[in-house]
Amino acid sequence: DIQMTQSPSSLSASVGDRVTITCRASQSISNYLNWYQQKPGKAPKVLIYAASSLQSGVPSRFSGSGSGTDFTFTISSLQPEDFATYYCQQSSSHPYSFGQGTKLEIK
Amino acid sequence: EVQLVESGGGLVQPGGSLRLSCAASEFIFSHYAMHWVRQAPGKGLEYVSVISSDGVTTYYANSVQGRFTISRDNSKSMLYLQMGSLRLEDMAVYYCVRGGAGIAATGTRIAVFDFWGQGTLVTVSS
Repeated sequence: DIQMTQSPSSLSASVGDRVTITCRASQSISNYLNWYQQKPGKAPKVLIYAASSLQSGVPSRFSGSGSGTDFTFTISSLQPEDFATYYCQQSSSHPYSFGQGTKLEIK
Repeated sequence: EVQLVESGGGLVQPGGSLRLSCAASEFIFSHYAMHWVRQAPGKGLEYVSVISSDGVTTYYANSVQGRFTISRDNSKSMLYLQMGSLRLEDMAVYYCVRGGAGIAATGTRIAVFDFWGQGTLVTVSS
């Protein structure tokens, strides 16, 4: 099975900051990598698919990059509504798996 | 708007069984693979299982293999998860998730969890 490792597990930042989260796969997954946002008490929501494609309706301040085993998720200028937990997820092979999550908190 | 509504959660003793259901609407259910994802209280997301659009192919996380069975009824737009030999560590919110497809710039088709239900809580306790 493919293991997904995210870092950091938590992050404090201020409105307007640029933040970056990394995700590493235990083996190559090409670009079969998605990013989700989850707010407390809510279901997750997809932001980025195929490593770098922006889901329809998602603001352009969110972006992703990477291929193979190493991936990056970036928020270019944090907004108050972006404080949440973010997960990477691989769709390369079953069972699909998630990273452990990165909790983004207000500094 | 796509709707996924889970039901069937509740309190069950260790070793017990429970069946979760998910009612899907506002999309052609038989065209999509469907998944179950769970989240233990205060923890991250854990992938549980998938069933192909025709119901023929299934996969399970190692943690539930042999204890859980995923199934679907395309005539009723329903997804199910039969859970048996439940353990304390199975306690979680269980989400029903549609397996959509994203098309990358390269033309690659990638499975994406594009719609999620609100979740149903399974509590395992004696």
